[in-house]
Amino acid sequence: AQSVSQHNHHVILSEAASLELGCNYSYGGTVNLFWYVQYPGQHLQLLLKYFSGDPLVKGIKGFEAEFIKSKFSFNLRKPSVQWSDTAEYFCAVGGSQGNLIFGKGTKLSVKP
Amino acid sequence: DAGVIQSPRHEVTEMGQEVTLRCKPISGHDYLFWYRQTMMRGLELLIYFNNNVPIDDSGMPEDRFSAKMPNASFSTLKIQPSEPRDSAVYFCASRLSGTGFEQFFGPGTRLTVL
Repeated sequence: AQSVSQHNHHVILSEAASLELGCNYSYGGTVNLFWYVQYPGQHLQLLLKYFSGDPLVKGIKGFEAEFIKSKFSFNLRKPSVQWSDTAEYFCAVGGSQGNLIFGKGTKLSVKP
Repeated sequence: DAGVIQSPRHEVTEMGQEVTLRCKPISGHDYLFWYRQTMMRGLELLIYFNNNVPIDDSGMPEDRFSAKMPNASFSTLKIQPSEPRDSAVYFCASRLSGTGFEQFFGPGTRLTVL
């Protein structure tokens, strides 16, 4: 069965620290990978996506993610976080039936 | 363009009452998804439709939950009877086939069952 694993449940960082959130997926076919962000009290919004091509994908607000096929990974990174990045981050992979398989999410708290 | 529209945004009801949540997908989108989010269980896919037809309802918790999509621009999620453990935020999302898997989420309905 397809699945997405996010390694960290809750990450706490100080402003200006670098961020890396882990995501591993299990799916043998063509992968479509996503990171969504959910700010407190809001709905999920797309942060970035990967379909094909350059494995380093740049998204909004300075976020990027790298697709490493050999490791089945799609980790999210940001070189310097801000307090406004406090949110929950969800990794997802496109499923075989047109749905998205979401990970359980990682809460990021950034201390000012 | 209007995004996914959900109503009501907040619903407070008493145990045993019927609750109906509504969703209008983005015009032209042919997939519609219902999710439930709680602190304990995170984000759960309940059911999704393609061209108004339910594709997978394996995430629907029990027979108290039902969902319909009578036309391409409207869907409902009904809980009857409601229970306190149904308290959650319910999100609707839609997407257009042929453009990738990106889903667009609505603002959610926060349901509180007393």
